[in-house]
Amino acid sequence: EAGVVQSPRYKIIEKKQPVAFWCNPISGHNTLYWYLQNLGQGPELLIRYENEEAVDDSQLPKDRFSAERLKGVDSTLKIQPAELGDSAVYLCASSPGLAGGLTSTDTQYFGPGTRLTVL
Amino acid sequence: AQSVTQLGSHVSVSEGALVLLRCNYSSSVPPYLFWYVQYPNQGLQLLLKYTSAATLVKGINGFEAEFKKSETSFHLTKPSAHMSDAAEYFCAVSEGQGGKLIFGQGTELSVKP
Repeated sequence: EAGVVQSPRYKIIEKKQPVAFWCNPISGHNTLYWYLQNLGQGPELLIRYENEEAVDDSQLPKDRFSAERLKGVDSTLKIQPAELGDSAVYLCASSPGLAGGLTSTDTQYFGPGTRLTVL
Repeated sequence: AQSVTQLGSHVSVSEGALVLLRCNYSSSVPPYLFWYVQYPNQGLQLLLKYTSAATLVKGINGFEAEFKKSETSFHLTKPSAHMSDAAEYFCAVSEGQGGKLIFGQGTELSVKP
């Protein structure tokens, strides 16, 4: 079974430029997460999707970050414009999503991440 | 709000020695707790999880963790370290019904030959 796929793996851009990250979750997984991981820190949730609906985006800086999950499968996270402080690893994860919406005990499967460097 | 504290950002053990990585949580409701491992330039992989069944949870690669409510702890152990165990380990608590994971700062495990 293929895992969570993310691309690109590495991205280097100048500040103020736009950047986009792509995630393909495990087939059949309804729930998709985007996490931000700063160097030496644990991941922090940016946004969570249940199918195509963003059900928790409270931690997403909406002035410059946006995300979409069209058709409830692949997802794209965008930053425009990027700032120096956005340098980090962006992780995508997916989980099956239990019937009835209770997903607290679901295992989240993580992709390898996209390492962003903003110069 | 729930939180997780991992004691020790770096732990070093000798090959064959006991591994003990500490995790304490703060939660107003019965928690669901997880341990993940992250190898360099890779995503996180689940080691084990506690979901209110048995308090002693066995995971992959010989790791286990014990949920102790009185101590609000969920420490990760392995009887005998292997060189391949060198990695970053994260403890996490699931917040709310939506599965949002709150991670600790991580503990880097080094294994000396």
